[in-house]
Amino acid sequence: EAGVVQSPRYKIIEKKQPVAFWCNPISGHNTLYWYRQNLGQGPELLIRYENEEAVDDSQLPKDRFSAERLKGVDSTLKIQPAELGDSAVYLCASSTNPQKLFFGSGTQLSVL
Amino acid sequence: AQKVTQAQTEISVVEKEDVTLDCVYETRDTTYYLFWYKQPPSGELVFLIRRNSFDEQNEISGRYSWNFQKSTSSFNFTITASQVVDSAVYFCALGGATNKLIFGTGTLLAVQP
Repeated sequence: EAGVVQSPRYKIIEKKQPVAFWCNPISGHNTLYWYRQNLGQGPELLIRYENEEAVDDSQLPKDRFSAERLKGVDSTLKIQPAELGDSAVYLCASSTNPQKLFFGSGTQLSVL
Repeated sequence: AQKVTQAQTEISVVEKEDVTLDCVYETRDTTYYLFWYKQPPSGELVFLIRRNSFDEQNEISGRYSWNFQKSTSSFNFTITASQVVDSAVYFCALGGATNKLIFGTGTLLAVQP
């Protein structure tokens, strides 16, 4: 069974540019999460979806970050415009049981 | 507020040594879950274990064992006879009523051959 797939694996952009990350969750997993992991830190939740509905986006910086999960399967996370402080690893996870998450390998973003 | 503390930033051991990773948590929830995840250099977080707050039985899985003690709000993880492949960052996490995982800052384990 395929795991959570994320792309791209790495992304380098200049500040003020837009960037988008894509996530394909495990088939049948209704819940999808986007986490951000800063260097030397644990992951922090940005947004959680139940099917196509964002049920917890309290930690998402809405001035520059947006996310969507059309049709309740794949999801994209966008940053526009990116800032230097956005450099981090962006992790996607999915689950059927809210207490057991399966994570992708993440997208490492470097903003120059 | 919910919080997870992993006081050990880095641990270095020689292969075949036993090593214990500490985790202390804070929560006001009466029902909660504790987790350990492994993050190898590839970056993917690998689920190791989940325990709920009503089950304080210690658990052993191969070379891994976990000691959950509510009295001290701790959920420590021991690797017996460590191997080089155990080298990774290990995260302890807390989940509660909000279905949101709160992660600690991680412990980098380096197992030297």
